[in-house]
Amino acid sequence: DVVMTQSPLSLSVTLGQPASISCRSSQSLVFSDGNSYLNWFQQRPGQSPRRLLYKASTRDSGVPDRFSGSGSGTDFTLKISGVEAEDVGVYYCMQATHWPPVTFGQGTRLEIK
Amino acid sequence: QVQLQESGPGLVKPSQTLSLTCTVSSGSISSGDYCWSWIRQHPGMGLEWIGFSYHSGSTSYNPSLKSRVTISVDTSKNQFSLKLNSVTAADTAIYYCTGGSSGSKVEYWGRGTQVTVSS
Repeated sequence: DVVMTQSPLSLSVTLGQPASISCRSSQSLVFSDGNSYLNWFQQRPGQSPRRLLYKASTRDSGVPDRFSGSGSGTDFTLKISGVEAEDVGVYYCMQATHWPPVTFGQGTRLEIK
Repeated sequence: QVQLQESGPGLVKPSQTLSLTCTVSSGSISSGDYCWSWIRQHPGMGLEWIGFSYHSGSTSYNPSLKSRVTISVDTSKNQFSLKLNSVTAADTAIYYCTGGSSGSKVEYWGRGTQVTVSS
């Protein structure tokens, strides 16, 4: 199985300040078609997860542009350019290149300082 | 936008079979190259992929659950279902149904349904 390791596991950020979450995979996530099937999800308290980004860096429709994704191979990053109160929640990375199984990171909890 | 809604019993007895259904709306379960997955979340924990099915019936399961899981698609009802047999307390979780393209696998999520295994 591909192990997804997120860091940090928790993050406390002042409103308006940037935040960054790392996701590392135990194998390269580059698929035979050249894409890296790495998704980022946000799970707000009491809600189901919502996809923010796919193929590492493509933002989903309706996702604010303060969210961005980067990386390739085994190292990926989710950045929030200026944290807002509605960004509180848990963020997960997920790989869909090597399956079964599809695997998730442990999650990173974001809170406001 | 595709919408998903889980349904099924919230309480299952140990050793019995957990059965859930996901109804897909605002889209066809047979469209394109979408795959339809089940994912669960144990209390206060992270996300665990259970498996998926394409509308063709082709499936893939998490090896850790494979011996107990069946996912099937009913195109006539625009639904897909999960059966997990021989359940124990360790199967207590929120179960989500999801849909996504064959590449990214997971895009849309249902609201989730709490399933408790207890006698």
